[in-house]
Amino acid sequence: SQKIEQNSEALNIQEGKTATLTCNYTNYSPAYLQWYRQDPGRGPVFLLLIRENEKEKRKERLKVTFDTTLKQSLFHITASQPADSATYLCALEDQAGTALIFGKGTTLSVSS
Amino acid sequence: EAGVAQSPRYKIIEKRQSVAFWCNPISGHATLYWYQQILGQGPKLLIQFQNNGVVDDSQLPKDRFSAERLKGVDSTLKIQPAKLEDSAVYLCASSLSSGGGETQYFGPGTRLLVL
Repeated sequence: SQKIEQNSEALNIQEGKTATLTCNYTNYSPAYLQWYRQDPGRGPVFLLLIRENEKEKRKERLKVTFDTTLKQSLFHITASQPADSATYLCALEDQAGTALIFGKGTTLSVSS
Repeated sequence: EAGVAQSPRYKIIEKRQSVAFWCNPISGHATLYWYQQILGQGPKLLIQFQNNGVVDDSQLPKDRFSAERLKGVDSTLKIQPAKLEDSAVYLCASSLSSGGGETQYFGPGTRLLVL
């Protein structure tokens, strides 16, 4: 069955460092991979989309990579700030446009 | 631009009772989704509408859950009767269309506790 794993439930880093979150998947061929941010008590908010034929995407301090051979996406936040503390979810969508499948998320805590 | 609205924000009921949630998507968004998010998990799709037609309800427990989207705008999700394991956050999301990596916009969710 399809499975998405996000590297760890929690990641603690110091302000100014780069946070790297991992999303691995099995038994799936996604055409698109999305990253969302979710704050406590709120719905997820879209951050970045990367397509299967793209290797890397950047937006301000965010960078996403997508390796379809390794079946893995890496999500980087450079120069992290306490305001980046949240849960980050990866989500996959196949070419047929069937439903987004979400991972469990990684909770990032950035300390000052 | 107004976001996705949901109500109520919180609901506490006893098992075997019924409950209904309401969602108003972003204006002009043809696709509407209902997700269930259990604590510590990612959102799981329950049902997807394209305008007022159902696209995917494969993970909707149809013996107790029902949903409708009248006139292709607002939507309601109902649980009858509720079970303890239905305790979760119910998220509504909308998008301009479905597929193709379309961005989904989520509402704040309704937190349901079944006692």
